[in-house]
Amino acid sequence: KQEVTQIPAALSVPEGENLVLNCSFTDSAIYNLQWFRQDPGKGLTSLLLIQSSQREQTSGRLNASLDKSSGRSTLYIAASQPGDSATYLCAVTGTASKLTFGTGTRLQVTL
Amino acid sequence: ETGVTQSPTHLIKTRGQQVTLRCSSQSGHNTVSWYQQALGQGPQFIFQYYREEENGRGNFPPRFSGLQFPNYSSELNVNALELDDSALYLCASGGTDNEKLFFGSGTQLSVL
Repeated sequence: KQEVTQIPAALSVPEGENLVLNCSFTDSAIYNLQWFRQDPGKGLTSLLLIQSSQREQTSGRLNASLDKSSGRSTLYIAASQPGDSATYLCAVTGTASKLTFGTGTRLQVTL
Repeated sequence: ETGVTQSPTHLIKTRGQQVTLRCSSQSGHNTVSWYQQALGQGPQFIFQYYREEENGRGNFPPRFSGLQFPNYSSELNVNALELDDSALYLCASGGTDNEKLFFGSGTQLSVL
């Protein structure tokens, strides 16, 4: 059974700092890995998708890496801004397009 | 804007009642999935439909059922509601295993 763990559970940083969120998964038989952003009480916004054959993806200030053999992914956020405050969820796609999610990292960027 | 819309946005029911949640997917997306997200947790996979047939199910009892229609809309039905069914219910549509899933904003269900 696939299990996804995210560390840390919560993080508070001052504006402008670079930060790294971590995700690990137990079964390396995945199609892809996605990072999502979720604002309180809202749905999920897909930030980055890394196919199982890829090592990283970049979008603006975000960079996600994937090491499938070790079951790890990181999300790097450069020059954090207060608008980045949200919960970030990592999810891996297994069979039948089923996503298995971690419990998320709650990020607060302070002024 | 993901192109996936859910209704209603909020719903309050009492224990034992039945509820139907609705989702309108992106045109051309043959796959729709439903997820349950309890407070402070990651979403949990309920089931997935592909071309109107269920083709994957998570660890949820049979009182959770669904339908998918040819016009890219779908429903999640929950019978005999329990207090623990209180959660945010998310609908997601997509294509193949290697494509992004697009999520709706969810329906917040409270069972009293």
